[in-house]
Amino acid sequence: GAVVSQHPSRVICKSGTSVKIECRSLDFQATTMFWYRQFPKQSLMLMATSNEGSKATYEQGVEKDKFLINHASLTLSTLTVTSAHPEDSSFYICSAARGTYEQYFGPGTRLTVT
Amino acid sequence: SQQGEEDPQALSIQEGENATMNCSYKTSINNLQWYRQNSGRGLVHLILIRSNEREKHSGRLRVTLDTSKKSSSLLITASRAADTASYFCATDREKDTGRRALTFGSGTRLQVQP
Repeated sequence: GAVVSQHPSRVICKSGTSVKIECRSLDFQATTMFWYRQFPKQSLMLMATSNEGSKATYEQGVEKDKFLINHASLTLSTLTVTSAHPEDSSFYICSAARGTYEQYFGPGTRLTVT
Repeated sequence: SQQGEEDPQALSIQEGENATMNCSYKTSINNLQWYRQNSGRGLVHLILIRSNEREKHSGRLRVTLDTSKKSSSLLITASRAADTASYFCATDREKDTGRRALTFGSGTRLQVQP
């Protein structure tokens, strides 16, 4: 089966610093990856669609200058939370699209901003 | 409001009983998927049902889809303590660029008592 990894699995950073989260499709190529955010006991909310070789498409209300997405290769997308604040603390999950309907989710990254 | 509302929000049953979760959505879809999430973990894909299908089975899982009512249900039969998790429905939606993203329901937290 298709495997998607995320690194790191959890990170604690100080307010004002930047954090980079990696999403990798380990055994397939993904031209499209998605980044979701999940607050405690809530559902997943799509943040942006990451397209290999082009700019990401952000959902309404998501600051593109704060959440930088780079999809430099067919197996790697990165999400950088810039100048993180405590309200950015959340669970960030990526998924990689394969075929027409299939999406495979990473295990998530728990970000805590102190 | 969010595409994909689920009820109940929380469900507690005894081991061996059946668990039924419902999901409603608002727009037309190509398919509907159900996912499971253990606390603080990533998503596990359970089953996908296409818009032209009415019912689908996978092991102890049974999913129905009623496109006229824009609703779906997930039935877990003979539940086990290990089924304790949050369950989310997700609908795909065609983005302007043709790339698909998933819209998740609010989720049902299932607790199976041993």
